[in-house]
Amino acid sequence: GNSVTQMEGPVTLSEEAFLTINCTYTATGYPSLFWYVQYPGEGLQLLLKATKADDKGSNKGFEATYRKETTSFHLEKGSVQVSDSAVYFCALEGVQGAQKLVFGQGTRLTINP
Amino acid sequence: DVKVTQSSRYLVKRTGEKVFLECVQDMDHENMFWYRQDPGLGLRLIYFSYDVKMKEKGDIPEGYSVSREKKERFSLILESASTNQTSMYLCASRALAGVHEQYFGPGTRLTVT
Repeated sequence: GNSVTQMEGPVTLSEEAFLTINCTYTATGYPSLFWYVQYPGEGLQLLLKATKADDKGSNKGFEATYRKETTSFHLEKGSVQVSDSAVYFCALEGVQGAQKLVFGQGTRLTINP
Repeated sequence: DVKVTQSSRYLVKRTGEKVFLECVQDMDHENMFWYRQDPGLGLRLIYFSYDVKMKEKGDIPEGYSVSREKKERFSLILESASTNQTSMYLCASRALAGVHEQYFGPGTRLTVT
């Protein structure tokens, strides 16, 4: 079945540091890939998405590229801010039926000033 | 502005009680989902629904049931709450066609004592 694996957290960085959160997936065909973010006390919200190989999703300075050859969708940001502190989830939606999301375990990110 | 609302942010129930969690969306979405979120496990799908009166089991349906009598409302029912159902419960909705994001409610943190 489909699955998503994220790098284990928690991750703690200083403000303006470079961020990478690794995400790899297992799926048949070409799933759609997503990064969701959950700020403290809130539900999840979409950060970015990519629907086919080599697509790059971007939003709020975050980027992720759909790499079919390595089955990866790593999240990056060049200079993080304290306001980026949150839990980040990688997810995929499979190609067959259902339109269900499969989530990774989440990575808690803390940015110190 | 799109909105998914959940009936309670925090809920404390006793073992054996029947518990209702309500979710309402105002986007006329066909698909609705119930997840539970646990540390280190990400989000796991409990049930989902494609349409009124239609429901399908997700990955962890045991101990839960759902009801969808109106398009905008999707209820999660714990017939007899147990301590291992203490968790954060998240509702989401999605439009049927195309590659669309899921919109999440703020979550209900349920404690069963």
